[in-house]
Amino acid sequence: DAKTTQPNSMESNEEEPVHLPCNHSTISGTDYIHWYRQLPSQGPEYVIHGLTSNVNNRMASLAIAEDRKSSTLILHRATLRDAAVYYCILINNAGNMLTFGGGTRLMVKP
Amino acid sequence: GAVVSQHPSWVICKSGTSVKIECRSLDFQATTMFWYRQFPKQSLMLMATSNEGSKATYEQGVEKDKFLINHASLTLSTLTVTSAHPEDSSFYICSAPPVGADTQYFGPGTRLTVL
Repeated sequence: DAKTTQPNSMESNEEEPVHLPCNHSTISGTDYIHWYRQLPSQGPEYVIHGLTSNVNNRMASLAIAEDRKSSTLILHRATLRDAAVYYCILINNAGNMLTFGGGTRLMVKP
Repeated sequence: GAVVSQHPSWVICKSGTSVKIECRSLDFQATTMFWYRQFPKQSLMLMATSNEGSKATYEQGVEKDKFLINHASLTLSTLTVTSAHPEDSSFYICSAPPVGADTQYFGPGTRLTVL
């Protein structure tokens, strides 16, 4: 699986937007970009995924660079409950095993 | 969204005993389930892929005789940690992709503490 690179940690203020970056320069044409998040002592939770076009859902937005070598998860208004580790993962359409990198620990300040 | 459950949510056992952890997909079928292990402050590490009706596939470095996996039905996979030792203490998490889906759903995890 292609690798992803994320900052170890980020801070945000409550009610402000948060942009979580992910680099995936070795992404292949069939790799989907998935984001999961993990709250303390819980299993990961699906957030969003996309292939080429930007995606929106009730939790977040995903902005994918035109060359697909990077993407950004956007939380439009961070809340204290959004404090978690966010993982950016690439999954090809031939299988669905997930390889987790280090993720970004998001801290939200009141 | 789809729901995956794990049982028990936490377990404490004595060294040398065996512990069974169940992973169930509650509202969908899954021919494949995945087992992960997570140590404190670390990321998830894939241990094995559980396949319904066939043998599990283990990642390099994971002892198949120590971590027994059985995928008894399309909604249930079990992980048995045999002869557990303190170094097996960890957070064990399963995941399952619904058949035909391109995403996965994770269980809430099982915290194992071996004394």
